[in-house]
Amino acid sequence: NAGVTQTPKFRILKIGQSMTLQCTQDMNHNYMYWYRQDPGMGLKLIYYSVGAGITDKGEVPNGYNVSRSTTEDFPLRLELAAPSQTSVYFCASSPGLAGGGETQYFGPGTRLLVL
Amino acid sequence: AQSVTQLDSHVSVSEGTPVLLRCNYSSSYSPSLFWYVQHPNKGLQLLLKYTSAATLVKGINGFEAEFKKSETSFHLTKPSAHMSDAAEYFCVVSVGGSYQKVTFGTGTKLQVIP
Repeated sequence: NAGVTQTPKFRILKIGQSMTLQCTQDMNHNYMYWYRQDPGMGLKLIYYSVGAGITDKGEVPNGYNVSRSTTEDFPLRLELAAPSQTSVYFCASSPGLAGGGETQYFGPGTRLLVL
Repeated sequence: AQSVTQLDSHVSVSEGTPVLLRCNYSSSYSPSLFWYVQHPNKGLQLLLKYTSAATLVKGINGFEAEFKKSETSFHLTKPSAHMSDAAEYFCVVSVGGSYQKVTFGTGTKLQVIP
């Protein structure tokens, strides 16, 4: 059972470039999340989804976009990369809404460096 | 509004000695509380969670935490540290119902000295 997988593991982007961070889960979870983790900070929610075709903004959505066409996949798009987006990005999923006490299952993360 | 404070950014213990990682929270609603562990270059993994059942919660790898409403605390303990416990630990508070939000603490890095 793979759980939550993320690609790529590491990427260097130039300012202004675009990229998509991929996230796939095989647990048939309806709820999926994207977080960013900055040094010395807790995880901050970027976007989340409660099911295919339904997404909503989290705490720090500016500069990002998401889509959810299937239950399994929840890609995160950076349109115009900026140095402030240098971070580690985690995708997570849960069987119910995390705010309701459900456990979240995390991927291994994507380390992004914008220069 | 809700918040979570991890009182120590770094904790260092000797192998075989007790571990105490401190977490205080505030919430206007009845919260669920979690501890997640993150080993280097890995994703977060659930250690244990409290969801309004028993106040003493046992988790994986010998960890446990006690929910103390009067002190608004959810400290993580382990009687005897192992080298493999070296990692970063996150305390998380969440509220459900009509207002769903998850808030992560800033993390406590645990160092275990042989």
